[in-house]
Amino acid sequence: KNQVEQSPQSLIILEGKNCTLQCNYTVSPFSNLRWYKQDTGRGPVSLTIMTFSENTKSNGRYTATLDADTKQSSLHITASQLSDSASYICVVSERDSSYKLIFGSGTRLLVRP
Amino acid sequence: GAVVSQHPSWVICKSGTSVKIECRSLDFQATTMFWYRQFPKQSLMLMATSNEGSKATYEQGVEKDKFLINHASLTLSTLTVTSAHPEDSSFYICSAFPADVPRRTEAFFGQGTRLTVV
Repeated sequence: KNQVEQSPQSLIILEGKNCTLQCNYTVSPFSNLRWYKQDTGRGPVSLTIMTFSENTKSNGRYTATLDADTKQSSLHITASQLSDSASYICVVSERDSSYKLIFGSGTRLLVRP
Repeated sequence: GAVVSQHPSWVICKSGTSVKIECRSLDFQATTMFWYRQFPKQSLMLMATSNEGSKATYEQGVEKDKFLINHASLTLSTLTVTSAHPEDSSFYICSAFPADVPRRTEAFFGQGTRLTVV
């Protein structure tokens, strides 16, 4: 069964600190992996998208890594800001004709002053 | 970037009534749109795949007669919750892929609709 698992479920850090979120998946055949940020009561917003051949991708203070061999990804947030408080969702898509996305349960991040 | 707009952003309705939620791709054409439901502190759950000009494909356990989907054009899909009940209260989100994007790499999400049935 295709699954995406994220850890930790929730995380509290102090403003200015760094943190790393983890994502493990069993989706096969793999097409790409995405990280989304979702503010409470809003739709997800794309942070990064990585295909099989990409190991790392950055978007400002967000850096995602992908190890397609071990089927693991991480999202590293540098110098956290209060506005980073949100849910971060790892999403994997299959390499087939459908557009289906397989969602992780998300990591709820709270950045405190 | 591409924009997907949902309307309304929130709605309160009486039990037994129907509610229509619109999902529009504002600056691209989308042959396929997706409808998700999200309960508090949970991730998005796919309800159905909306295909322009044809019937929607529903996920297992989703009642097609209760959640009516219409994708009449390349920029608009609607989800109608019929005979709403309090347990239908949730956050509904749509997403769309641009029709001309190779390998379907990017998906854009609407801002969501908070439905409360009283």
